Amino acid sequence: AQSVTQLDSHVSVSEGTPVLLRCNYSSSYSPSLFWYVQHPNKGLQLLLKYTSAATLVKGINGFEAEFKKSETSFHLTKPSAHMSDAAEYFCVVRVTGGGNKLTFGTGTQLKVEL
Amino acid sequence: GAVVSQHPSWVICKSGTSVKIECRSLDFQATTMFWYRQFPKQSLMLMATSNEGSKATYEQGVEKDKFLINHASLTLSTLTVTSAHPEDSSFYICSASQGLDYGYTFGSGTRLTVV
Repeated sequence: AQSVTQLDSHVSVSEGTPVLLRCNYSSSYSPSLFWYVQHPNKGLQLLLKYTSAATLVKGINGFEAEFKKSETSFHLTKPSAHMSDAAEYFCVVRVTGGGNKLTFGTGTQLKVEL
Repeated sequence: GAVVSQHPSWVICKSGTSVKIECRSLDFQATTMFWYRQFPKQSLMLMATSNEGSKATYEQGVEKDKFLINHASLTLSTLTVTSAHPEDSSFYICSASQGLDYGYTFGSGTRLTVV
């Protein structure tokens, strides 16, 4: 079964410094992986997705993630944090043969300080 | 881009009453819609998957008689919480997909409070 593990429940950075949100996946197949962002009491917005094409995936708002099969990781990064990046981030895997279902990680709360 | 409209954004109801939440895909046809529940500061838990014109598939532990899902058209799915109780209070989010080659578009969520 496919699953994702988000290694940090909370991450705090200063504005202008790099962001790293960690995610490891478990899958017997080549997975489809996503990062979503959720602002308080809002729905989810897709940041980026990996679907077995380029291993370095660029998303919206300056975010990118690199698929590393050897490390079973799909970490999300951004060179310079902005106050508006403060939100909850979810690493997500699509379940192969599971009717197009998604399995969510437990989420990482990103705090951006001045 | 693809847009999913979810209504209402929040609702307060009395214990024992039923509440209906609508999820509409505005500019695309959603072959599959998903309903999630999210407790405060927790992740999204899939409740059920619905395909247009067929019965919803519920995840283990989700009461199908309590959470009625209807997917009558390619653009509309509804979730009805029947005989709501305070423990049903939660944030409910829908998502729509056009198929495996397409992404998923999420609604903005519904905050349900049962008093």
